[in-house]
Amino acid sequence: AQSVTQLGSHVSVSEGALVLLRCNYSSSVPPYLFWYVQYPNQGLQLLLKYTSAATLVKGINGFEAEFKKSETSFHLTKPSAHMSDAAEYFCAVTNQAGTALIFGKGTTLSVSS
Amino acid sequence: EAGVVQSPRYKIIEKKQPVAFWCNPISGHNTLYWYRQNLGQGPELLIRYENEEAVDDSQLPKDRFSAERLKGVDSTLKIQPAELGDSAVYLCASSFRTSGAYNEQFFGPGTRLTVL
Repeated sequence: AQSVTQLGSHVSVSEGALVLLRCNYSSSVPPYLFWYVQYPNQGLQLLLKYTSAATLVKGINGFEAEFKKSETSFHLTKPSAHMSDAAEYFCAVTNQAGTALIFGKGTTLSVSS
Repeated sequence: EAGVVQSPRYKIIEKKQPVAFWCNPISGHNTLYWYRQNLGQGPELLIRYENEEAVDDSQLPKDRFSAERLKGVDSTLKIQPAELGDSAVYLCASSFRTSGAYNEQFFGPGTRLTVL
């Protein structure tokens, strides 16, 4: 069965520091993987997605993620954090049929000045 | 292009009362999803529609939850009666589903339900 594990429910960084949010997946079929961001009282916004093309995926707002099949990981990174990056981040994988998303529990990113 | 619209944005009710949420998907999107997001958790699928047909409602608690998507456009999710544990954010999403590859889902802002 498909599942996603996000390591660390809360990550704190200083402005300008590297952001690393960890995601490991379990999938019985080649997965499609996603990172979403959720700002307070808003819906989910797609940051980036992996759909079996390039393993290094670039998204919006300077984020990128690398698909590593050997490690079953899809970690999200950003070289330099900005205050506006403070939000909840969710990693997701498609279900086996490819018809819905299965989300991790989320990681709250805090950015301090 | 307008995004997914949901209303109300917030709802506070007493337990045992009924409540309904409404969703209008992006124009032309044939697939509509309802997710529930409990506090501190990721969203979980409740039901998926393709046009007006509920094709996956396996996670919908059918004793108290119901949903409809008349005419294959907007949708209503209802809870009757509501319980304390139903307090959550209810998210609607839509996509244009074609055969083959996964089709991106677009999410609405959600309805935050508080049951007292």
